[in-house]
Amino acid sequence: KAGVTQTPRYLIKTRGQQVTLSCSPISGHRSVSWYQQTPGQGLQFLFEYFSETQRNKGNFPGRFSGRQFSNSRSEMNVSTLELGDSALYLCASSLSGGGGQPQHFGDGTRLSIL
Amino acid sequence: QKEVEQDPGPLSVPEGAIVSLNCTYSNSAFQYFMWYRQYSRKGPELLMYTYSSGNKEDGRFTAQVDKSSKYISLFIRDSQPSDSATYLCAMTFGQGAQKLVFGQGTRLTINP
Repeated sequence: KAGVTQTPRYLIKTRGQQVTLSCSPISGHRSVSWYQQTPGQGLQFLFEYFSETQRNKGNFPGRFSGRQFSNSRSEMNVSTLELGDSALYLCASSLSGGGGQPQHFGDGTRLSIL
Repeated sequence: QKEVEQDPGPLSVPEGAIVSLNCTYSNSAFQYFMWYRQYSRKGPELLMYTYSSGNKEDGRFTAQVDKSSKYISLFIRDSQPSDSATYLCAMTFGQGAQKLVFGQGTRLTINP
């Protein structure tokens, strides 16, 4: 069974640009969550989608947004990129959401802002 | 103060040693507790998943949860060089909650 797939693996952007990251969950998983990982702040929750609806949102500015498609694939978008947005962006999927469902992570997209 | 505290290490031990990794937390509403292992340039890999207090064993790994003390542990027996990685504790609330709250991660090196 294929795991969580994130594309692209690496991205280099400049300040002010926008970027879209993609995540394909494990087959049959309907909940997709996004996290940002930095050396200083560690792993921080961005948002979670289930059945194409955002159910939970972390404490990030509105420049960070996402969506989920009917096949459970998800994208996240970051607009007006800032140097501080350089991070590893991780996607995790679980069966149906809820605390009782373990989350499985992809290998992330490493975003570098110049 | 962070909701979940984890000593970042680094921690270096000889091969074959028993490793103890720990996290403390402040929010008593956490109900589900996880340990993830993350190798360099890879995503976190789920190692252990427990609900409420008690012990859970899987091969060389044992997870302990003490909700009264707000303290969780991961023990690795007969540690191997391949166990060298960053270990992250994570926890979340009950039904309908998908937000995982992570510790900072402990960087572990097993020396042959």
